Order: sequence, then structure tokens, then C-alpha cells
Amino acid sequence: QVQLQESGPGLVKPSETLSLTCTVSGGSVSSGNYHWTWIRQPPGEGLEWVGYIYYSGSTNYNPSLKSRVTISVDTSKNQFSLKLSSVTAADTAVYYCARADNWNEVAYWGQGTLVTVSS
Amino acid sequence: SYVLTQPPSVSVAPGQTARITCGGNNIGSKTVHWYQQRPGQAPVLVIYYDSDRPSGIPERFSGSNSGNTATLTISSVEAGDEADYYCQVWDTSTDHRNVFGTGTKVTVL
Repeated sequence: QVQLQESGPGLVKPSETLSLTCTVSGGSVSSGNYHWTWIRQPPGEGLEWVGYIYYSGSTNYNPSLKSRVTISVDTSKNQFSLKLSSVTAADTAVYYCARADNWNEVAYWGQGTLVTVSS
Repeated sequence: SYVLTQPPSVSVAPGQTARITCGGNNIGSKTVHWYQQRPGQAPVLVIYYDSDRPSGIPERFSGSNSGNTATLTISSVEAGDEADYYCQVWDTSTDHRNVFGTGTKVTVL
């Protein structure tokens, strides 16, 4: 059973860079036709897709965030990471890492981590 | 950009049937997935590829997709079905990205 776990600071200052890491267990980030994905959810609001990385390293980002987002993968550690630059209060959200499968359905989710942007 | 519209809320009595719609331009030509999210928890996939159920999801959950509307149906609703539900598609009409619906809060009366 694939499990994902987010880690990183829970508080980030405005204009700085948000950095999160997702550690995968029970499966490999370098195998299979999967999209290793980040999704976020502002408090009390709906889900927003941030982007994904394929095991080959190719990426796809939400156009509304594209200029600020970088997703990378570290196959040696079986992890993938999210960086979001120049954050504002609007980036405050629960951030989920996840695995999307053949039809882009998100079959596996991390528990989520709340990141608050505040000085 | 592609927009998926859901009713904000649906109320249903226990044992009855809840239907949650997801409207989008020609959504019938896309593949729709549905998620259940209970308070304080991560979403759970309940329907994928329009109408397939992952293992462990009760048969009470079913899906359909045609024209401009996809529908998640929950039969014989139980108190434990009270949650937020989101639809999702992979949009290639303007750019390639995942799009989530606005979400529907299901209340069991």
C-alpha cells in the first residue's frame, strides 16, 4: 500500500519561498505511469491542483501558479518536493502530496500539512 | 479555463438517495473522478473513470457522465456519508491541467 507523508515548515513569511517534501513508502517514485502531485486547499475552501512531476522529471503546473512553482523529484530518497516562491497570505492552505494514476485520478493522498503565510 | 460547477449543498434523509451534479462544457467527453472529504481528513477517491469504484468503496456509490453533466449517486444514504464531495477532470480544452469542482456539502438529516 502506497503511503505519502508531507514535511516542511508550517509557517512562512510573505515574499519568501514555501518548501515542502513528500516522502513515499510502499512504492517507488521512479516506476510506473504515475503523476506525483501536489494539491492545496485554503481553509474552508475547495481543492486546487498545483502540479505534478512524472518519474522522468517532466512537469506540468497549474497555469495560475506556473511562474512561482517548481516540483522536483529525488529518486535516491524516494521523495518529491514543492517550491512556491513569493508567497502571500493567499497561499495559506493545507498542502497535500498525492499520486495520480492512469486517468489522472488521485488514488493516494498524504494526510496534508497546513502552511500559513504570515509575518 | 475550464470550470466545473457543483451545487453548494445537498440534504438527504437516511436511507434515501443523494445525487450530486457536476456541470461542465461537454463534460461527457471527459473522464470524471469523484472524491469524498470528511472534516479534517484528506479526500478519498470514491469513483474514477466516470463510474468505476475503487476497492473498498461500497456499491451504494455510483457515477454517470453525459452531455454537460456528471452525477455522483449515493444510494441508501448513511450518517457516515455526510461529507464534502468534489468532482475532477483532466482538461485539455485550453491547457493541460487537473480541474476540481467547487464542491458539494452533503448533509444527512
